[in-house]
Amino acid sequence: DAEITQSPRHKITETGRQVTLACHQTWNHNNMFWYRQDLGHGLRLIHYSYGVQDTNKGEVSDGYSVSRSNTEDLPLTLESAASSQTSVYFCASSDPSGSTGELFFGEGSRLTVL
Amino acid sequence: QKEVEQDPGPLSVPEGAIVSLNCTYSNSAFQYFMWYRQYSRKGPELLMYTYSSGNKEDGRFTAQVDKSSKYISLFIRDSQPSDSATYLCAMSAVEVVGAQKLVFGQGTRLTINP
Repeated sequence: DAEITQSPRHKITETGRQVTLACHQTWNHNNMFWYRQDLGHGLRLIHYSYGVQDTNKGEVSDGYSVSRSNTEDLPLTLESAASSQTSVYFCASSDPSGSTGELFFGEGSRLTVL
Repeated sequence: QKEVEQDPGPLSVPEGAIVSLNCTYSNSAFQYFMWYRQYSRKGPELLMYTYSSGNKEDGRFTAQVDKSSKYISLFIRDSQPSDSATYLCAMSAVEVVGAQKLVFGQGTRLTINP
């Protein structure tokens, strides 16, 4: 079955360190997204991509970057981790030919920045 | 003001009760309306999808959209303990076909008590 996997599922890091969260999907979807989920804020869009070599900023992109070198992967990098980036991060993908724009989510990566 | 507002709850009801979950929004360009269900420590999954105004029913679940009031609802009939989860409303406007970005509400945490 096609799926979307995130790694690591849990990570603890220190302020100032660089962190990369991996996202891999086997749906062959062109569209991929990174969200963060915090209490009281729901899901907020960080970055998204509509295809290889395409990346775009979402509403909370400061301090984050992504790159898209193939269809399957969209890694999220925190250049210099801050305590405000402690959150649960979700990767998602969607089929641009689908009529609903439905997002398929991974299981999430829980990041703690000390 | 957030584009999408959702009462975060928590909401606790007895088994068998009718549950009503609601969201309001400010962007009149939104045309696609969705409800996602998220179990604890899992990624959200699409529950219901509605295009434009009207009602949609799927088993015990009914989604309603009132674009004139910028208000959407999800009703759960004969609620079951397995319905205990966080419910997130989401909506989007089509800027480019295949390039829909979803905006999420804060999510309502629902508990159904046996």
